[in-house]
Amino acid sequence: EVQLVQSGAEVKKPGESLKISCKGSGYSFTTYWIGWVRQMPGKGLEWMGIIYPGDSDTRYSPSFQGQVTISAAKSISTAYLQWSSLKASDTAMYYCATFARLYTDAFDIWGQGTMVTVSS
Amino acid sequence: QSALTQPPSVSGSPGQSVTISCTGTSSDVGSYNRVSWYQQPPGTAPKLMIYEVSNRPSGVPDRFSGSKSGNTASLTISGLQAEDEADYYCSLYRSSSTVVFGGGTKLTVL
Repeated sequence: EVQLVQSGAEVKKPGESLKISCKGSGYSFTTYWIGWVRQMPGKGLEWMGIIYPGDSDTRYSPSFQGQVTISAAKSISTAYLQWSSLKASDTAMYYCATFARLYTDAFDIWGQGTMVTVSS
Repeated sequence: QSALTQPPSVSGSPGQSVTISCTGTSSDVGSYNRVSWYQQPPGTAPKLMIYEVSNRPSGVPDRFSGSKSGNTASLTISGLQAEDEADYYCSLYRSSSTVVFGGGTKLTVL
């Protein structure tokens, strides 16, 4: 079964760092792009960026460039999203999803989401 | 502000049809068939419903259909069912290898 399993919910304080993960299984992890999507409480989906695990080629949304870092460890089929200094406005649900694995130009398999809460 | 414009909400009664629009520009939606649609019931992850404007992934009921006219893509749900109540998002893969989502539409089944 193809799936993406994300790390658990996090509660952090402003200024702290964080790295959340997304582990793929059931398919060739290195040959399909993985994207990250933010959903703030009660709001819509926002595309953050995308990475090709095979060579770590990464593209960012202008809105998130410099705010987060997307990476991947292909040896353990895991993609990451990290912050060096969290803000309260980073409180959101974060989803990873495979891109164009089976279906052209679309996010076809989604992780279950990781809730990040940033509060003092 | 999203580059793709969706109506905030639509509604319909069971058995009826509803259409959700997704409007871009002549340089994105109007030029490429890279539009996809996602369904997100409350408290769940999004699910792909339509890709490349009008194609259904395996397992998606044929009550869901997609189309495009000019700069506007549309998702039509026919034979509306209570389980269709969810938020729906369109998405566009741009030529710059970036992605943009629409603002989302809340579908209420009356």
